[in-house]
Amino acid sequence: NAGVMQNPRHLVRRRGQEARLRCSPMKGHSHVYWYRQLPEEGLKFMVYLQKENIIDESGMPKERFSAEFPKEGPSILRIQQVVRGDSAAYFCASSPKGTGATDTQYFGPGTRLTVL
Amino acid sequence: AQSVAQPEDQVNVAEGNPLTVKCTYSVSGNPYLFWYVQYPNRGLQFLLKYITGDNLVKGSYGFEAEFNKSQTSFHLKKPSALVSDSALYFCASGGGSASKIIFGSGTRLSIRP
Repeated sequence: NAGVMQNPRHLVRRRGQEARLRCSPMKGHSHVYWYRQLPEEGLKFMVYLQKENIIDESGMPKERFSAEFPKEGPSILRIQQVVRGDSAAYFCASSPKGTGATDTQYFGPGTRLTVL
Repeated sequence: AQSVAQPEDQVNVAEGNPLTVKCTYSVSGNPYLFWYVQYPNRGLQFLLKYITGDNLVKGSYGFEAEFNKSQTSFHLKKPSALVSDSALYFCASGGGSASKIIFGSGTRLSIRP
């Protein structure tokens, strides 16, 4: 059973470009979570999605950031018009069908975004 | 309000000695508590989880955690530390009336030979 897959592992963008981060959950998992981690800091929750639904986006910046988890295909975290402050590691996690407050989350290896 | 606190940014232990990484939580209702470990440039790995039942939970790599309801704590422990245990450790809480799991700020564990 393959784990959570994220790609790309490393992404370099210039200021003003768009960044698209992809996450394929573990087989059979229908819940996806996105987190951001700055160097030497903890995890900051961004968004929690089920297939075709955003359940909790309380951690998403109001502008430039969006996320989706379509019926088919990976979950996508999209950052428009990136700025240097967006440089961070972005982690995706998935969990089986259940509640977002009790399921064990399984993490992908992360995408490290660098904005030049 | 739901919260998780890891009061120590860094814990230093000599190899072979017991280690403890502290975590306290605040959740309305019955908590679900987790420990994860993060090695450099890697994602978080699940170590163990408390739902209900025995207060001592055993997990991966010889780690265990003790749930203490009166102190609202869930400290991570290991009887004999290894250099390879050096990593960043995160406590997380959910359950009760929480809508999602939240993570603590992390504790960096350093084991010296």
